[in-house]
Amino acid sequence: EPEVTQTPSHQVTQMGQEVILRCVPISNHLYFYWYRQILGQKVEFLVSFYNNEISEKSEIFDDQFSVERPDGSNFTLKIRSTKLEDSAMYFCASSEFLAGETQYFGPGTRLLVL
Amino acid sequence: GIQVEQSPPDLILQEGANSTLRCNFSDSVNNLQWFHQNPWGQLINLFYIPSGTKQNGRLSATTVATERYSLLYISSSQTTDSGVYFCAVDAAGNKLTFGGGTRVLVKP
Repeated sequence: EPEVTQTPSHQVTQMGQEVILRCVPISNHLYFYWYRQILGQKVEFLVSFYNNEISEKSEIFDDQFSVERPDGSNFTLKIRSTKLEDSAMYFCASSEFLAGETQYFGPGTRLLVL
Repeated sequence: GIQVEQSPPDLILQEGANSTLRCNFSDSVNNLQWFHQNPWGQLINLFYIPSGTKQNGRLSATTVATERYSLLYISSSQTTDSGVYFCAVDAAGNKLTFGGGTRVLVKP
């Protein structure tokens, strides 16, 4: 069964450093998402992406964040200058269509900012 | 935005017991998904169920869209069912809003 993959599974970084989290969505899917979950809290939407542009973003997704589909398979989330509060599990998801379709989640990248 | 409330927040079960988890949402939705978050933090897709009833093994789910709630049933619970169960809904076609989760502990 096709699945969403994410790398790395864990990343430790120093405050102020840039990090890039990588995702490979399911191959025939057109819509891509990033979510995050701070330890012990609910999962929160960050951004959705379609046709090489952002469809919607949350208040969390400020100028420190960016997304990119650099080639036909990868989807990346960049955090330019990490803060302590960026420590969280980051999930990538994809769906075949937009409205009302199942979103399939990757296993997550656990980011720790020291 | 849409509000999603899950109950109960915590549930302790003896192995073999049955249970019902509830998800209430504040507006019409075009997507509702149930997830199980395992101890490693992975979100496992259980059901896509914007309306109706589905069953998968010992798990089943029912969504009554007109009354804005969904129920997840766990029958004959096993220790591997432990973890956090999340309900998530999509009202506008572009993002999932998650509830706060129900933390389930199944004791042997």
